[in-house]
Amino acid sequence: KAGVTQTPRYLIKTRGQQVTLSCSPISGHRSVSWYQQTPGQGLQFLFEYFSETQRNKGNFPGRFSGRQFSNSRSEMNVSTLELGDSALYLCASSLDKFGNTIYFGEGSWLTVV
Amino acid sequence: DAKTTQPTSMDCAEGRAANLPCNHSTISGNEYVYWYRQIHSQGPQYIIHGLKNNETNEMASLIITEDRKSSTLILPHATLRDTAVYYCIVRRSGETSYDKVIFGPGTSLSVIP
Repeated sequence: KAGVTQTPRYLIKTRGQQVTLSCSPISGHRSVSWYQQTPGQGLQFLFEYFSETQRNKGNFPGRFSGRQFSNSRSEMNVSTLELGDSALYLCASSLDKFGNTIYFGEGSWLTVV
Repeated sequence: DAKTTQPTSMDCAEGRAANLPCNHSTISGNEYVYWYRQIHSQGPQYIIHGLKNNETNEMASLIITEDRKSSTLILPHATLRDTAVYYCIVRRSGETSYDKVIFGPGTSLSVIP
């Protein structure tokens, strides 16, 4: 069965622009979580969704937002991009909210120039 | 969730078994040991997980000590494509949030031809 799919895979944006990243979880998975990964900070939790509801949010500014649709697909948006937002953005899905195995997508590489 | 410690790097000859250790001395009874790996520029790939019994799948074997304070991931016949950073994490079962998914520095495994 297909894994977690993230689009786009690579993108370059200019400071001040906004970006939307998309994630399709594994079929049947209802929980989606997002992470930012940078060489200096490692993997940092952004947010988590289950049944279209945000369950938890990491320590990121309000410029970072997300949502989940009724088909469990999820999007995250970053507005007013800054150079420091350059990172690998990872989406992960899990069957439910009960600590099951999480599976990561390939990620979206965002470069802000 | 319990913290884990792993060696920074390891080498393994191609075709030989790679044994990657992980220490999780503060693990609690309802916490699972998970292993992921990340090849450069890709998302983390789930390998295997276990609670207290040894586990094996098509990718690897997981050996957990009787006191559960440490574990070893075994790649039985390492290939060049197994060169990656390997992460050992512990996560509790039951309703939980994915904000506790913390990847430490991991072990950088280099498979040598």
